[in-house]
Amino acid sequence: QQQVKQSPQSLIVQKGGISIINCAYENTAFDYFPWYQQFPGKGPALLIAIRPDVSEKKEGRFTISFNKSAKQFSLHIMDSQPGDSATYFCAAINSGGSNYKLTFGKGTLLTVNP
Amino acid sequence: ETGVTQSPTHLIKTRGQQVTLRCSSQSGHNTVSWYQQALGQGPQFIFQYYREEENGRGNFPPRFSGLQFPNYSSELNVNALELDDSALYLCASSQPNRAEQYFGPGTRLTVT
Repeated sequence: QQQVKQSPQSLIVQKGGISIINCAYENTAFDYFPWYQQFPGKGPALLIAIRPDVSEKKEGRFTISFNKSAKQFSLHIMDSQPGDSATYFCAAINSGGSNYKLTFGKGTLLTVNP
Repeated sequence: ETGVTQSPTHLIKTRGQQVTLRCSSQSGHNTVSWYQQALGQGPQFIFQYYREEENGRGNFPPRFSGLQFPNYSSELNVNALELDDSALYLCASSQPNRAEQYFGPGTRLTVT
């Protein structure tokens, strides 16, 4: 059972465009939703995160939109740059559980063409 | 501030052998989690250590075991290696009762 579903699997965007990656979750106990960026051969790096008490969070060119009723959240990368080319993972945590276990989506390979 | 470090970077083992991977947590972080990332997949939770005890385990067999030391560093041990154990093994550390987890660069394990 996949608790966090991520789409698309891959995405190609032109430099300066907007990249949008979507995630949906099933477990309503999830209450923390981070996005990670991973370059080849590296570990995932925490990019931005949101809790369900807000509908949007923006940090620089990165914005998370959150829809609690639909159990969906998305990452928007504005003015996408070739350096943003990486694999992006959404994840979720139930911080009220016995441990802070991250449940990841399967990832989106983003390619930003110059 | 030193980030999460892992050793070794790469490792090649033969099926049936045993392996130990090591992780040093970020300064001020006392919780360590281990994840397995197969090629082209998202990381899968193996287990978490807090105060030197296992604090939650994912869907992995008992041949995956771990330790946490008083300085909060941690080891992941895998016995009776199988071909499917080939993956990137990631360690993440976090502060007490905080959801934010910070990952190390990983150890690439290849089982032949």
